[in-house]
Amino acid sequence: DAGVIQSPRHEVTEMGQEVTLRCKPISGHDYLFWYRQTMMRGLELLIYFNNNVPIDDSGMPEDRFSAKMPNASFSTLKIQPSEPRDSAVYFCASSSEGSLLISGNTIYFGEGSWLTVV
Amino acid sequence: AQKVTQAQTEISVVEKEDVTLDCVYETRDTTYYLFWYKQPPSGELVFLIRRNSFDEQNEISGRYSWNFQKSTSSFNFTITASQVVDSAVYFCALSEARWDNAGNMLTFGGGTRLMVKP
Repeated sequence: DAGVIQSPRHEVTEMGQEVTLRCKPISGHDYLFWYRQTMMRGLELLIYFNNNVPIDDSGMPEDRFSAKMPNASFSTLKIQPSEPRDSAVYFCASSSEGSLLISGNTIYFGEGSWLTVV
Repeated sequence: AQKVTQAQTEISVVEKEDVTLDCVYETRDTTYYLFWYKQPPSGELVFLIRRNSFDEQNEISGRYSWNFQKSTSSFNFTITASQVVDSAVYFCALSEARWDNAGNMLTFGGGTRLMVKP
């Protein structure tokens, strides 16, 4: 079975440019998460969706960041305009709802999108 | 609020040595889930194990074993007879069970970088 698929794997862009990161969750998963990993802050949750609806975006750093999930198999994270401090690895992850008590809803991660803003 | 602490930022061992990675967590919930993820040099996050708070049985999987101690809020990870391929950053994570549609967001520790030398 295919895992979480992210694109691009690597992106280098100039400050001020728009960046769009893409994610295809595991088929059948109800939850989709966007995480960011930096040396300074480690892994932090930016936003997550349940059944395509954004549930909590309190981790989104500022208005330059936006995320959408137009359907169950696709999500985007957009940064406009990008800044050097946005350089990080952005992970998309997904999980299924199931029964929390039984399954614990393991979250599976994509390979990450490595973003460098110069 | 929940918190995960991995006090060891970096560990270096020689191949075939046993090594234990420590994880201490804080949560006010009585039902929660603990995870370990591995991040090899290639960068992806690989799920290793999930443990439910009401199941304190230790688990062994090949050379990997996990010791869950609720009394000390610890979920330590031991690699027996370490190999060079075990070199990676290992993350411990905590998720509180939610009965609304909020999903089980992960709070990560800072990670422990394990270097296994031949």
